[in-house]
Amino acid sequence: RKEVEQDPGPFNVPEGATVAFNCTYSNSASQSFFWYRQDCRKEPKLLMSVYSSGNEDGRFTAQLNRASQYISLLIRDSKLSDSATYLCVVNMDGFKTIFGAGTRLFVKA
Amino acid sequence: GAVVSQHPSRVICKSGTSVKIECRSLDFQATTMFWYRQFPKQSLMLMATSNEGSKATYEQGVEKDKFLINHASLTLSTLTVTSAHPEDSSFYICSARRGQNSNQPQHFGDGTRLSIL
Repeated sequence: RKEVEQDPGPFNVPEGATVAFNCTYSNSASQSFFWYRQDCRKEPKLLMSVYSSGNEDGRFTAQLNRASQYISLLIRDSKLSDSATYLCVVNMDGFKTIFGAGTRLFVKA
Repeated sequence: GAVVSQHPSRVICKSGTSVKIECRSLDFQATTMFWYRQFPKQSLMLMATSNEGSKATYEQGVEKDKFLINHASLTLSTLTVTSAHPEDSSFYICSARRGQNSNQPQHFGDGTRLSIL
């Protein structure tokens, strides 16, 4: 089993749609969690941290379920500019950081 | 604005050339930096963890004599791909965390696209 697993997609959605990405992690001792986005041929950029209480940043909502070892990202009112690969990232036991393989999103007009 | 700078962004060179890539933390000191490589349509793969003032820690399967890492100051780490061959062509990205707290997110440089002819 991979340490961090994501649905690779691609997700093809129309503008304005709501889309949800899921991510599971295997190490229950994982300490911190993030979502990054990566555009084609670019470096990953931090989208948001994920907190146990859930957190929201504009159209983006992140949730963490420690009991199920599950992280989610919800994007509301999708824009064309949201098209990218979304990476689930987990910090484990101190310093080790594991990146998911990413979920590709295509938002179409 | 950017917090990690990487240079050069693009390198095209002949087989057998050694290529040096620099990674700088712009407004903070980074005792640890990370080097990744990414092949097209694949996920980031950690190559090594660069530690200021000491030897880098390489991931399994990464040749330390092939990928030389130097972290001589608190704001600069370099990766040298020695005697590069076409199979070394890839996207190389560095990252760093602000502060010592391992729960902080990593910030990435712009990446270096290396093409070996």
